[in-house]
Amino acid sequence: EVQLVESGGGLVQPGGSLRLSCAASGFPFSHYAMNWVRQAPGKGLEWVSGISGSGVSTYYSDSVKGRFTISRDNSKNTLYVQMSSLRVEDTAVYYCAKQMSVDVISTRPSDYWGQGTLVTVSS
Amino acid sequence: EIVLTQFPATLSLSAGERGTLSCRASQSVSSYLAWYQQKPGQAPRLLIYDASTRATGTPARFSGSGSGTDFTLTISSLEPEDLAVYYCQQRNKWPPTFGGGTKVELK
Repeated sequence: EVQLVESGGGLVQPGGSLRLSCAASGFPFSHYAMNWVRQAPGKGLEWVSGISGSGVSTYYSDSVKGRFTISRDNSKNTLYVQMSSLRVEDTAVYYCAKQMSVDVISTRPSDYWGQGTLVTVSS
Repeated sequence: EIVLTQFPATLSLSAGERGTLSCRASQSVSSYLAWYQQKPGQAPRLLIYDASTRATGTPARFSGSGSGTDFTLTISSLEPEDLAVYYCQQRNKWPPTFGGGTKVELK
């Protein structure tokens, strides 16, 4: 059974940093690209970042480029995102999602999602 | 980036009724459109991909159709557990984008 469990969310002040983790199990982790998708309170879904199965290729939305860094440790089956220079508008539930392909640049969607972790940026 | 417009914003249906949700793209996404279901307090769940292929575990009452810029998700007979927000997503052009969602509620 595929499982994705996010952790690391919490309250942080504007300008602060936070690292989210996503522990994966139930599938060959390195064979699949992974993504972070967020959802602001009461709002829709926004793709944030993606990383290829090997970890070599990374991609970011314009809204987080230069502030967020996605990475993965295939030996630990874990996905990360390091978030810095956080803004109030980064407040959201952050989901990790497994893509149906090894490459992020692909027409394949995400077939499994974690339950999410809430990040609140506020003073 | 490609903008996906979903309508209606809210769809009120009775149990057993047929429902049609629409997603329109600002430019062609070929057939690379997916539909997700999100129940309150839960993560999104993949229902349909490639416009019409049911994901594993998707009930047969859900069907998808369309290509190019106009897509439809049909619920043939609404069950109480289908009350949720439904999002479409395209991955044909970078960056991947989501529609604003359609909320399905009980009439």
